Amino acid sequence: EIVLTQSPGTLSLSPGDRAALSCRASENLGNDYLAWYRQKPGQAPTLLIYGASSRATGIPDRFSGSGSGTDFTLTISRLEPEDFALYFCQQYSISPYTFGQGTRLEV
Amino acid sequence: QITLKESGPTLVRPTETLTLTCTVSGLSLLSAGAGVGWIRQSPGKAPEWLALIYWDDHKRYNPSLQTRLAVSMDTSKNQVVLTMTYVDPVDSGTYFCALVGGLWAQWFGPWGQGTLVAVSS
Repeated sequence: EIVLTQSPGTLSLSPGDRAALSCRASENLGNDYLAWYRQKPGQAPTLLIYGASSRATGIPDRFSGSGSGTDFTLTISRLEPEDFALYFCQQYSISPYTFGQGTRLEV
Repeated sequence: QITLKESGPTLVRPTETLTLTCTVSGLSLLSAGAGVGWIRQSPGKAPEWLALIYWDDHKRYNPSLQTRLAVSMDTSKNQVVLTMTYVDPVDSGTYFCALVGGLWAQWFGPWGQGTLVAVSS
């Protein structure tokens, strides 16, 4: 199965800062089938990005996704208080669909 | 607005069968392209995709758990049911159902709130 490695494990920033989260796949993701999720404490994950760079419905434009092949990045341009949470990437190129272990964004 | 809600037991004994139900509102499960997936999450671990089912009854399973899983639809109630046989304490965690992006797009959103399951004697 495809293994997704996210880095860093924890990212410490302040509101208003720019954040860059990395997700590296063990194999090339055909069609750039990669999604990003944000999970606030005690809540279910929320889809942010699909297809590596397409924002999901209702997601603000401070979130952007980039990358292709095996290296992908989620960028948050100006951190809001609600953005301090756990972020996961997920590939849907090849079954089984797998998730990364997460990056925790903390104040 | 499409919402999903999981329901099921909070405690299951080892070797028993776990049955979870996902009730979908705002979208008919018979709508072309509709699909529901199940994902579980244990504390400190990455989410793990378990299974999914589409409007046409096409099903996919995580190969690592395929022999223990079954997913089905009750279209009269607009529900998806997941059963897991021979549960073990390692199966403890929060189980989520989520809408699948499409037949060729297995991203997940929106998600249900999740249901916490403990496997213990």
